[in-house]
Amino acid sequence: AQSVAQPEDQVNVAEGNPLTVKCTYSVSGNPYLFWYVQYPNRGLQFLLKYITGDNLVKGSYGFEAEFNKSQTSFHLKKPSALVSDSALYFCAVRDSRSGSARQLTFGSGTQLTVLP
Amino acid sequence: EPEVTQTPSHQVTQMGQEVILRCVPISNHLYFYWYRQILGQKVEFLVSFYNNEISEKSEIFDDQFSVERPDGSNFTLKIRSTKLEDSAMYFCASSRGALGYTFGSGTRLTVV
Repeated sequence: AQSVAQPEDQVNVAEGNPLTVKCTYSVSGNPYLFWYVQYPNRGLQFLLKYITGDNLVKGSYGFEAEFNKSQTSFHLKKPSALVSDSALYFCAVRDSRSGSARQLTFGSGTQLTVLP
Repeated sequence: EPEVTQTPSHQVTQMGQEVILRCVPISNHLYFYWYRQILGQKVEFLVSFYNNEISEKSEIFDDQFSVERPDGSNFTLKIRSTKLEDSAMYFCASSRGALGYTFGSGTRLTVV
């Protein structure tokens, strides 16, 4: 079974400050990890993914995430937050093992609010 | 950039009615999915479809739900007899393999 935990329902940060949105996961094999962002009344927009290789993954809009296998974490980060980054962020995982289910399992989401 | 297209963007239906949500996946993708998101809650997997058959389904995907790929391009989700609790945003997604899931912008279904 695969699962994702986003321990914070809400993260507030001042504009210009660094932001972190936390995610931990559980899979039987190796993980494929994803971050998506959802703006109000909009669909899921892909930010970045970790498949293999470098633990630091860079994605859209200046976001990056660090894969930490020992801590089973994939936290989303940005060095300097913008008010326009305010949105709902979802972490998702699937097991990389051949033959395992291909669907993504999503976390419960973290509402990021960047204060001007 | 290729997109997954969903229609309609918003559908209102009466309880007990049948609804069909439509999706056009990316043309060279092989795997197709439906997810749903009840307002304010997490995104939940419903069903995946590969090689013209269901490959995985969740507990949510009961006998009231069905999927079809009727013409090689469209991918539909049918709810036979809608209930109030079916009100949600429904997302279609497609992927070629493991690496690239693309989601549509969703259909907001409101059951009244």
